[in-house]
Amino acid sequence: KNQVEQSPQSLIILEGKNCTLQCNYTVSPFSNLRWYKQDTGRGPVSLTIMTFSENTKSNGRYTATLDADTKQSSLHITASQLSDSASYICVVRPSGGSYIPTFGRGTSLIVHP
Amino acid sequence: NAGVMQNPRHLVRRRGQEARLRCSPMKGHSHVYWYRQLPEEGLKFMVYLQKENIIDESGMPKERFSAEFPKEGPSILRIQQVVRGDSAAYFCASETGGGEQFFGPGTRLTVL
Repeated sequence: KNQVEQSPQSLIILEGKNCTLQCNYTVSPFSNLRWYKQDTGRGPVSLTIMTFSENTKSNGRYTATLDADTKQSSLHITASQLSDSASYICVVRPSGGSYIPTFGRGTSLIVHP
Repeated sequence: NAGVMQNPRHLVRRRGQEARLRCSPMKGHSHVYWYRQLPEEGLKFMVYLQKENIIDESGMPKERFSAEFPKEGPSILRIQQVVRGDSAAYFCASETGGGEQFFGPGTRLTVL
């Protein structure tokens, strides 16, 4: 069964600090992995996408890493801002016949001033 | 290019009534996915549609739920005889096919 597990479930940090969110998956065969940011009351918005051959990808203060061998990904946020407070969702898409993505439950990040 | 649009944003229904949720995909997108999100839970896949076709409905309950994506007009997720357990946020996402999914703002359904 395809699964995506995220940790921690929730995280509270002070403004300006860095943090790292984790994602482990069992989806196979693997096509790509995306990190989404979901603000309260809104739909998810894509931050990064990584394919099998990519190890690191950055988008501003967000840096995602992928280890396809161990089926792990991380999202690192540097110099956090209050607007980073949101849920961060790891989504893995299989290749082959099914395009149905599997979503993690998300990490709820709260940035305090 | 307008994003994915969903309406209504909030919907209140009494038990036993019907709920109709609408999703207009981004221009040029012919693939639509519907997801359900319960509080503190991740998004759960319900159904995947292309124009006039249901491709995969494995995540949708067999009873009371139906979805369509007609040749013209928005995709519709219909829930008949709603129960309190149907209360959730329903999101749709559209894509061109295998690419990035763009999500709508969601419809929050409350069943009284």
